[in-house]
Amino acid sequence: DTGVSQDPRHKITKRGQNVTFRCDPISEHNRLYWYRQTLGQGPEFLTYFQNEAQLEKSRLLSDRFSAERPKGSFSTLEIQRTEQGDSAMYLCASIGLGETQYFGPGTRLLVL
Amino acid sequence: GENVEQHPSTLSVQEGDSAVIKCTYSDSASNYFPWYKQELGKRPQLIIDIRSNVGEKKDQRIAVTLNKTAKHFSLHITETQPEDSAVYFCAASVSSGGYQKVTFGTGTKLQVIP
Repeated sequence: DTGVSQDPRHKITKRGQNVTFRCDPISEHNRLYWYRQTLGQGPEFLTYFQNEAQLEKSRLLSDRFSAERPKGSFSTLEIQRTEQGDSAMYLCASIGLGETQYFGPGTRLLVL
Repeated sequence: GENVEQHPSTLSVQEGDSAVIKCTYSDSASNYFPWYKQELGKRPQLIIDIRSNVGEKKDQRIAVTLNKTAKHFSLHITETQPEDSAVYFCAASVSSGGYQKVTFGTGTKLQVIP
């Protein structure tokens, strides 16, 4: 256990529904990343927060995706109008003073 | 942008043998190269990393080498054990003002046969 938690661990939803995931990083870590991982692939960067500021967004993050990190603590990732292609594992990772990213257990999303 | 290629995609070795996984990267500005182990259904976990000012790093049975000129780095696992079976990802990272842009390879599924 790295100290990074994610909720829920699994989510099954119907196409067109909205879903929201939560990530709780290690408490003293001010940098937080969201990644998406599909089967047989490495994690793909989605977005980056430094404290409460969202400083980087990938082109993978369409208008249906939004992320927040109010107060620089936990973060949420929302997907609106889900599509089958959104099915993946959504991982968050936090970094403290160094360069090591500590990953959470992920939220596995299945869109039917 | 950065492109990281990883080979082989699958690797089977007998217990006790060595395993080598190779990665190449494209962005010469990359300065940090972590390796992650991911067991089925679990989170990626850092197993070793190397910075661009170092050519080799070793931690017990695991070692990583970096050739900046050729832009490639490798993971070496010696005396493999069944619990080493997992998917291994290499990554290349460029740091800029606290933001670390990390690009992962596509993974190598390692199977250690008892």
